[in-house]
Amino acid sequence: DQQVKQNSPSLSVQEGRISILNCDYTNSMFDYFLWYKKYPAEGPTFLISISSIKDKNEDGRFTVFLNKSAKHLSLHIVPSQPGDSAVYFCAASAADGIQGAQKLVFGQGTRLTINP
Amino acid sequence: NAGVMQNPRHLVRRRGQEARLRCSPMKGHSHVYWYRQLPEEGLKFMVYLQKENIIDESGMPKERFSAEFPKEGPSILRIQQVVRGDSAAYFCASSRRTGTGTIGYTFGSGTRLTVV
Repeated sequence: DQQVKQNSPSLSVQEGRISILNCDYTNSMFDYFLWYKKYPAEGPTFLISISSIKDKNEDGRFTVFLNKSAKHLSLHIVPSQPGDSAVYFCAASAADGIQGAQKLVFGQGTRLTINP
Repeated sequence: NAGVMQNPRHLVRRRGQEARLRCSPMKGHSHVYWYRQLPEEGLKFMVYLQKENIIDESGMPKERFSAEFPKEGPSILRIQQVVRGDSAAYFCASSRRTGTGTIGYTFGSGTRLTVV
């Protein structure tokens, strides 16, 4: 049961253009969403997050959009740079009663390649 | 200010041996999470620990896997009698506290376990 899905395994974008990475989820209890970036042989690095009470959060070149009715979120990177080439993971969490445990449910990842 | 330290980075074990993976959280962080990433997949939650307590082990396989986070020293993920299917990257993350809408996750670089 894949609760968080990233349906595009890979994406190729020209340098300077916009990269849009998509993520769908099924669990309506999720109330916090995050994007992580991962290089080979390294751990995931936090990029940006959004709470379910918002529909947009922006940080520099990165913007995350949340559409709760569609259970869909997206990450926009503009302008895209060669250093953005990495695997991007969408993750979600739901606060539960166990001391506020915040375990994350990850998507499968999208490999983004920025072409010069 | 060292980040989350995992060791070893690479671990090779023969089938039937034991694997011990260590994780030292960031200074001041008292919550530790273990995740496993199989090839071409996203990270899957395994276990959430606080000092001397297992808070949520809903992602741990029922047999052969155990985790601890003692009062002193690193958190240990132990896999007994390893099988080829245990080959994966194991990531540890730590946070200062949990609470609704607050996640301060920092991931380590992972331990890549290969079972031969």
